[in-house]
Amino acid sequence: DTQLTQSPSFLSASVGDRVTITCRASQGINTYLAWYQQKPGQAPKLLIYAASTLQIGVPSRFSGSGSGTEFTLTISSLQPEDFATYYCQQLNAYPTWTFGQGTKVEIK
Amino acid sequence: QVQLGQSGAEVKKPGASVKVSCKASGYTFIGHYIHWVRQAPGQGLEHMGWFNPNTGGTVSAQRFQGRLTLTTDRSTTMAYMELNRLTSDDTALYFCARQGGNGNYALDYWGQGTLVTVSS
Repeated sequence: DTQLTQSPSFLSASVGDRVTITCRASQGINTYLAWYQQKPGQAPKLLIYAASTLQIGVPSRFSGSGSGTEFTLTISSLQPEDFATYYCQQLNAYPTWTFGQGTKVEIK
Repeated sequence: QVQLGQSGAEVKKPGASVKVSCKASGYTFIGHYIHWVRQAPGQGLEHMGWFNPNTGGTVSAQRFQGRLTLTTDRSTTMAYMELNRLTSDDTALYFCARQGGNGNYALDYWGQGTLVTVSS
């Protein structure tokens, strides 16, 4: 299975900060990568697909980049509603579309 | 609008089976795969497998093979996840999710989740 490693696992930031989360794949996955946001008690919400395409309705402060084995999710100016856990997911290798372990973004 | 509505919480004993349902509406059911993802308490997301309502094709993650059955009913636009021989490690929130289309292969709509608790 293709493994995904996110870093950091936890970060503390302030409103207005620029935040970057990295996702590394154990083998090349082209741009078959998605990013999700999950808040407590809720289902995940799709933010980015195909590594860099913003899902309809997602604010433009979210952006994604990368291909192959290294990917990033950037929040250009953190807003109060962005405090959540973020997951990457590879969509390349069956049978399992693995997720990263998650990055929890908390208020400093 | 696209909606995925899941069945209610379940409590099961070890060794039992559970069947979770997911009602899809607001889109062409056979045009999108349905995936199942679970999340143990306080843990991350785990992809379980998917079902193609158009062809009947299905794939399950290796760790569930032999225990997991994914199905759909096209007439009612329902998807089902059945997990057998439950253990306490299967206690989790189970989500159904729709795979997108037109170049978006990610999971673009999700059900609200169904809590399955396995306890003696």
